This record gives sequence, structure tokens and C-alpha cells, in this order.
Amino acid sequence: SQQGEEDPQALSIQEGENATMNCSYKTSINNLQWYRQNSGRGLVHLILIRSNEREKHSGRLRVTLDTSKKSSSLLITASRAADTASYFCATTNAGGTSYGKLTFGQGTILTVHP
Amino acid sequence: DTGVSQNPRHKITKRGQNVTFRCDPISEHNRLYWYRQTLGQGPEFLTYFQNEAQLEKSRLLSDRFSAERPKGSFSTLEIQRTEQGDSAMYLCASSGGLAGGREQYFGPGTRLTVT
Repeated sequence: SQQGEEDPQALSIQEGENATMNCSYKTSINNLQWYRQNSGRGLVHLILIRSNEREKHSGRLRVTLDTSKKSSSLLITASRAADTASYFCATTNAGGTSYGKLTFGQGTILTVHP
Repeated sequence: DTGVSQNPRHKITKRGQNVTFRCDPISEHNRLYWYRQTLGQGPEFLTYFQNEAQLEKSRLLSDRFSAERPKGSFSTLEIQRTEQGDSAMYLCASSGGLAGGREQYFGPGTRLTVT
């Protein structure tokens, strides 16, 4: 079953704008990861944030985690047409191993117009 | 590092037939995962191996599904007596290695169509 919801389901922006996607989950987690999926490269890992971390950066990506609200956000700054893809958050549950199964959200479809 | 590979990439089969998919993980990874993804949804976990041991199976994995990872290297996923509801993309991922990373590296998937 899906862990939670992602918001918005679809997002359309112009190149150079920032894109923010939100993810909510239901159970306590070990870590939360964001993945990108497009037809050309399949599912690709973007960034991982541990349950004891609040914010993490990687290049143009910024992830925040609020465990009290069971939510996370992914910010992509200065978006490019190549960022067009589906973005998924995925969690590993606190009751299991941090290496175990990922529970994915339903994803946000991001379209960046040149 | 050649990445995770999956074969075949596409499979069309008739209802009631058996199918088998293969996954070759990144060579130094000791953990291997199978997921299933349908259109418009995120991947759903099916099963997980650490080396050759199958550590967890989803309730989605009915008795028609079986997965193996002999010798802790490649893995196979077999579906017996396929049903139209089995049509989906089957994804394999691996993780681990010397760095012991928690991120999973996904293969391109096998798209199954049951007619």
C-alpha cells in the first residue's frame, strides 16, 4: 500500500522558476528519500534525509523533513526543461531496517516549459 | 559499475501462462529488491533479499509469485498462471556495497502485458 500522498499531483512551470513538491506519510520512519522517474532513465535516487535531520541540500535540490507533521518537501531551484519527470518520495519504516523496503508515494508530475 | 540490468525489457503473454524475469544487480550490492508499478502509481514493494536470504515478502506477493536469488547474485521473479491484473512494470533495485548505502539503484524494469 502507498505510504501517503504527494502534493500537487501535477505541477507546470517555466524554466528558471523554482518547483516545490510536498510529501506526507503515515508511519514513523528511519529515512525519507526522493526519486525521479522519466522514460529515458527510469527511477533515479536524488537525495536521502534521515529522521533526525531537518534539512538537506544537494546541488539545486533542497529537502526538508518535519517528523512531527510527518511531511517532507522537495525544492528544485532554477528549474530546467531536463527536470521534467515524475518525482516520488519514499520512506523506510522505523519498525524495520533502514535498508529495507521503500514505501513510495503516488508522485508529482513536474513539467518545465522551455 | 554497469548498473542494474533486467531482462526481458518487455513481455507479452497470454493469461494462464507462466513468466520469469531476471535481475542482475550492481555487482558489489548485497541487497536486492523487487517492486511492481502500475500506470500513474508509485512502485509497490514485492520482496527483498539480503545476499541469498529472502527477508521480507509483501502480501501483494500471492502464491503465484516466487522469487529466488541463488548464490546471492542475480535474482529471478516468476509469475505462474498469469492474470490480466498482473500487467505492470516490474522493477528491480539493489543497494549496499562497501559504503553500505541506503539508496536503492533501480533497473529499467520489465513491462509485462497479459492478454
